[in-house]
Amino acid sequence: DAVMTQSPGSLPVTLGQPAAISCRSSQSLVYSDGNTYLNWFQQRPGQSPRRLIYQVSTRDSGVPDRFSGSGSGTDFTLKISRVEAEDVGVYYCMQGSHWPYTFGPGTKLEIK
Amino acid sequence: EVQLVESGGVVVRPGGSLRLSCVASGFTFHAYFMHWVRQAPEKGLEWVSLINGDGSITHYADSVKGRFTISRDNSKNSLYLQMNSLRGEDSALYYCVKDTTGSPDYWGQGTLVTVSS
Repeated sequence: DAVMTQSPGSLPVTLGQPAAISCRSSQSLVYSDGNTYLNWFQQRPGQSPRRLIYQVSTRDSGVPDRFSGSGSGTDFTLKISRVEAEDVGVYYCMQGSHWPYTFGPGTKLEIK
Repeated sequence: EVQLVESGGVVVRPGGSLRLSCVASGFTFHAYFMHWVRQAPEKGLEWVSLINGDGSITHYADSVKGRFTISRDNSKNSLYLQMNSLRGEDSALYYCVKDTTGSPDYWGQGTLVTVSS
């Protein structure tokens, strides 16, 4: 199985400041079709998860452009250019290139 | 508007069985792959299973393979998860999730399964 790791586990951030979350896979996530199925999800307190980014860097509809995804192969990053109060929650990466799909353990973003 | 409404979560004894259901609306159900994803209390997300549009292809997490079965009835816009030989570690909120572009996209509110004697 592709094991996903994330760092940091907890991320205190000052409002208006940038934030970055790292996600690493134990295997390359480049699929046989040439795409890389690495996704990012946000789970606000008490809510269902919401997908923010798919295939490394494509933002879902309605996702603010302060969120961006990058990376390749086994190393990926989610960046928030200026953290807002509504960004509080847990962020998960998830790979869909290998069966079974696997999630990272999550990164809890809080306001400092 | 996409809606996914899960049901069937209850308290069940270890070794017991349960079938979860999810009714979908707001999109062409048969055209989409569907997932089940679970979340144990105060824990992270765990992908459980996927089924393709016509039900001919399924995949499972190692932790549930051989015990859980995903299925769908496109005439009823419904997704199911048959869970057998339940264990304490299966206790979780189970989400029904629509797939787009090869990953879970829209999530329901979840249905809670508790395995306890």
